[in-house]
Amino acid sequence: NAGVMQNPRHLVRRRGQEARLRCSPMKGHSHVYWYRQLPEEGLKFMVYLQKENIIDESGMPKERFSAEFPKEGPSILRIQQVVRGDSAAYFCASSQLPEETQYFGPGTRLLVL
Amino acid sequence: GIQVEQSPPDLILQEGANSTLRCNFSDSVNNLQWFHQNPWGQLINLFYIPSGTKQNGRLSATTVATERYSLLYISSSQTTDSGVYFCAVFKSTFGDGTTLTVKP
Repeated sequence: NAGVMQNPRHLVRRRGQEARLRCSPMKGHSHVYWYRQLPEEGLKFMVYLQKENIIDESGMPKERFSAEFPKEGPSILRIQQVVRGDSAAYFCASSQLPEETQYFGPGTRLLVL
Repeated sequence: GIQVEQSPPDLILQEGANSTLRCNFSDSVNNLQWFHQNPWGQLINLFYIPSGTKQNGRLSATTVATERYSLLYISSSQTTDSGVYFCAVFKSTFGDGTTLTVKP
């Protein structure tokens, strides 16, 4: 039973480019959460999605960031026109039910040059 | 929103020692989780514990929901216990973590 998968594990982008981060939840999980962890800091909630729906995006920056979780395929976190301040580790987690145990993926380390 | 505070922020132990990590939260919650982030950045779920007590090997956790706190106990600590311990409450609010260093 594969765990939460994220790819790529490492991503390097130049300022102004787009970054696409993918998250495949555990089998049977329909709830996905994205978090950002800046260097030497804790995890900050970004967005919570169910299949085809954004449930809570209160932690998402208002511009340049978007997320989706289509009916088929992985959840995508998209960052447009990246800036150096976007450099961070982005983790996704999934759960079977909305208020139950979250299982984390290995994260994507984004470096913006 | 709900506030989550963890203490202590940093903890250094000698191998074999016991420790208690605390998580206070500002409002009633119906779920709480403890995670361990190892030095390589991997996040491991330790306990889902909205109330009561659970044990898993050398680790145990207790949540007293009515008093808005949870405790994580680590007994006979090992160097592999090093890392950052986070508690989190729904909706996905994490504390700032306790950084544990276990020295051989």
